[in-house]
Amino acid sequence: AQSVAQPEDQVNVAEGNPLTVKCTYSVSGNPYLFWYVQYPNRGLQFLLKYITGDNLVKGSYGFEAEFNKSQTSFHLKKPSALVSDSALYFCALRAGGSYIPTFGRGTSLIVHP
Amino acid sequence: DAGVTQSPTHLIKTRGQQVTLRCSPKSGHDTVSWYQQALGQGPQFIFQYYEEEERQRGNFPDRFSGHQFPNYSSELNVNALLLGDSALYLCASSFKGSSYNEQFFGPGTRLTVL
Repeated sequence: AQSVAQPEDQVNVAEGNPLTVKCTYSVSGNPYLFWYVQYPNRGLQFLLKYITGDNLVKGSYGFEAEFNKSQTSFHLKKPSALVSDSALYFCALRAGGSYIPTFGRGTSLIVHP
Repeated sequence: DAGVTQSPTHLIKTRGQQVTLRCSPKSGHDTVSWYQQALGQGPQFIFQYYEEEERQRGNFPDRFSGHQFPNYSSELNVNALLLGDSALYLCASSFKGSSYNEQFFGPGTRLTVL
């Protein structure tokens, strides 16, 4: 069975400060990892993914994520947070060859002016 | 280029009724997946359609069924509605639905069951 954990329900950060949203996973086989963002009353928008290769993945809107196999983590980061980054962030996992993705429960990011 | 579209936006039904939700995938995409997102939760995979067939199914009862048309659009049908079926239903499209392709999500249909 595969699983995704987002240990923080909410992350608060001041505008201009770096932000980190945590994600850990459990899977048999190679993981395909994704981050999505959801704004109120909207569907999910793709931010970035790790399939293979460099452990540091760069994505949309200045976000990046670091894949750490030994810690089974895929934390989302941004060097300088914007108020407009405030939203719900979801980490998702697919095992290689599986069509079924598993999403975390989501982390609410609040960036204070 | 139109993204993923869903209709209707909102829907109110009563217990025991049946509902049909519709989805048109992003241009160039041939795979449609449906998700249920309860309040405060992440999306839960219902099923995926590819080449007009259900390719994979999550842990949902047979009351949930679907269909994919030759133009790749899709419908989600839910019979004998329960209060617990109240949720945001998301449709996502991708190309060939392979594990490493990201999905593009529609805005969702908010279903309320009274």
